Amino acid sequence: EDKVVQSPLSLVVHEGDTVTLNCSYEVTNFRSLLWYKQEKKAPTFLFMLTSSGIEKKSGRLSSILDKKELFSILNITATQTGDSAVYLCAVATNAGKSTFGDGTTLTVKP
Amino acid sequence: NAGVTQTPKFQVLKTGQSMTLQCAQDMNHNSMYWYRQDPGMGLRLIYYSASEGTTDKGEVPNGYNVSRLNKREFSLRLESAAPSQTSVYFCASSRRQAFYNEQFFGPGTRLTVL
Repeated sequence: EDKVVQSPLSLVVHEGDTVTLNCSYEVTNFRSLLWYKQEKKAPTFLFMLTSSGIEKKSGRLSSILDKKELFSILNITATQTGDSAVYLCAVATNAGKSTFGDGTTLTVKP
Repeated sequence: NAGVTQTPKFQVLKTGQSMTLQCAQDMNHNSMYWYRQDPGMGLRLIYYSASEGTTDKGEVPNGYNVSRLNKREFSLRLESAAPSQTSVYFCASSRRQAFYNEQFFGPGTRLTVL
């Protein structure tokens, strides 16, 4: 059975802090790993990773994949209150299915 | 472009009632999906449609049926609602078959079954 585990489940930081969110997976026929941000509504896409060691970056957010150790991290630097959300990791397989983790709830305090 | 739209936004049902959740996308995407999200959990795939005319079961299909009416529309039907189906339901679409494409999500339908 495919499995995606995110840690920590929740995190409280102050504005300006840097955070690292983790996603580990065990799936058959890995195809890609995707990160989404969910702010009390529908998830919105952040990154898609298919190759190990290549960092994807968008502003203060960055992510990297390690296909040997089967994990990915999402980094957010200089956090802002607007970064408060649930961050979801999903792994897609060649079989045509994806599995989501339970998410990490990030709270950024002023 | 409206993106992915869902109706209704909220619904309360009694156990045993039936209803259909509607989903439409205007991005000319080939693939569409239905997920449910329970409190504190990630998304679980109910059914998906890789392309018009095809549908397949996801992780939690029991108690649901789907119809891919045309390329734009994908509906989810609960034939006999149960309290265990209380959840938020998200419809999503992606450009082509394969879950490694980014998915675009609708706003969700919050369903309560009493």
